[in-house]
Amino acid sequence: DAGVIQSPRHEVTEMGQEVTLRCKPISGHNSLFWYRQTMMRGLELLIYFNNNVPIDDSGMPEDRFSAKMPNASFSTLKIQPSEPRDSAVYFCASSLVAPQETQYFGPGTRLLVL
Amino acid sequence: EDKVVQSPLSLVVHEGDTVTLNCSYEVTNFRSLLWYKQEKKAPTFLFMLTSSGIEKKSGRLSSILDKKELFSILNITATQTGDSAVYLCAVVGNQGGKLIFGQGTELSVKP
Repeated sequence: DAGVIQSPRHEVTEMGQEVTLRCKPISGHNSLFWYRQTMMRGLELLIYFNNNVPIDDSGMPEDRFSAKMPNASFSTLKIQPSEPRDSAVYFCASSLVAPQETQYFGPGTRLLVL
Repeated sequence: EDKVVQSPLSLVVHEGDTVTLNCSYEVTNFRSLLWYKQEKKAPTFLFMLTSSGIEKKSGRLSSILDKKELFSILNITATQTGDSAVYLCAVVGNQGGKLIFGQGTELSVKP
């Protein structure tokens, strides 16, 4: 099994630019999660999907962030326009639905906004 | 508000020592508690606990849950330098699937 796949692994962009992060969950997993990790705030859940439907987006910082899951094997997290404070590592994770709730994380995308 | 608190926040030990990491939680309609290990990359799964008093064990690592007192511990015996990492505790509560993470415990094992 390939595990959760994220791309790109690193992204450096300038303030104001649009950033799109991509995730392919583990085949057969029904739930997908986007997290952000910073030194200051630790690991924070941004949004999660069950069966491609967004369930809880209360962690999305503001309207500049949006996420989609058009099918069971692909999701995107978009930041537009990006700001320096968005610099962080963004993780995607997937799991089966409850009660098998163990989440398996992708390698992360390290984003730097200059 | 759901909350997970880990202690200590950091810990330095020597190889061969035994360590105990703590995780306490307040969550609506607790479903499960998970432990992850994070080195310089993504968190990797260690244990999932749902029932009180049943120890989960994997090699030198073990964990147990107390649902009455709302905490879990992660034990590592005969520590090795490769155990150096941040250990994250997370709980799943009322909002199924949503993990609430603690701050993590940074463990450093010195040779």
